[in-house]
Amino acid sequence: GIQVEQSPPDLILQEGANSTLRCNFSDSVNNLQWFHQNPWGQLINLFYIPSGTKQNGRLSATTVATERYSLLYISSSQTTDSGVYFCAVESGGYNKLIFGAGTRLAVHP
Amino acid sequence: DSGVTQTPKHLITATGQRVTLRCSPRSGDLSVYWYQQSLDQGLQFLIQYYNGEERAKGNILERFSAQQFPDLHSELNLSSLELGDSALYFCASSQQNTEAFFGQGTRLTVV
Repeated sequence: GIQVEQSPPDLILQEGANSTLRCNFSDSVNNLQWFHQNPWGQLINLFYIPSGTKQNGRLSATTVATERYSLLYISSSQTTDSGVYFCAVESGGYNKLIFGAGTRLAVHP
Repeated sequence: DSGVTQTPKHLITATGQRVTLRCSPRSGDLSVYWYQQSLDQGLQFLIQYYNGEERAKGNILERFSAQQFPDLHSELNLSSLELGDSALYFCASSQQNTEAFFGQGTRLTVV
C-alpha cells in the first residue's frame, strides 16, 4: 500500500518563528489533507489539497502531486500552534485516509 | 466544531467486556469512517460505510464490528476487550470522495 512519510518528526520553535513541514507519499493520490491534533486530541482540518497551493491566515500548503510531496508552512508561530500535524492521503478509492506518523510541534513563548 | 458528534467522550471498562461507540455524521454526509489512534500504531483506518453499506475495510479486528443505520448514524462495537484495545477512536464523515471531517473522538481505556 501507499507509504506516507512526514518530516521532521519533532520541531521546537520560539514564538514568532516560521517553519515548513513536509509530507512525502509513495504513489499518486486522489486526496490529501493536513490536520492539526491539539493537546486535547481533537483533529482539526487545516487543508484539503490534492494539488496546488492554498492559504488560510498564517498557514499555507502546497502539494506537488507529480513529485509526490506536500508542504505545510506555518508563519509567525504562536503557542496555540503546538500539537501534532498530520498529513493523510487517499489512494485507490473509497476515500479512506492513510496517515503519516505526524510532526510534533512545540512553540515556546 | 466539525459537525461530527461522537459519544461517549471517555469510556473506562474492564478486559473481556463489550462497548459501543456512537457517531452522528455531518448533515448531508453519507460516508462514515472509523479510525483508531494508538501510541504504537498511530492513526489507522478501520472501516467505512456509505449510505448503510460497508464500503471498505482496513485493519479491523474480528472482535470489532460496525454498522450504519438508516438515519446515517453509525456504531462501532468492540467486544472481548483487551488491554491493547485502549486507544482514541475517531469517527469521520464526508460526502463522496471529498474532504473528511473528524469527531472529537472517544478515549477508551481498558483496565
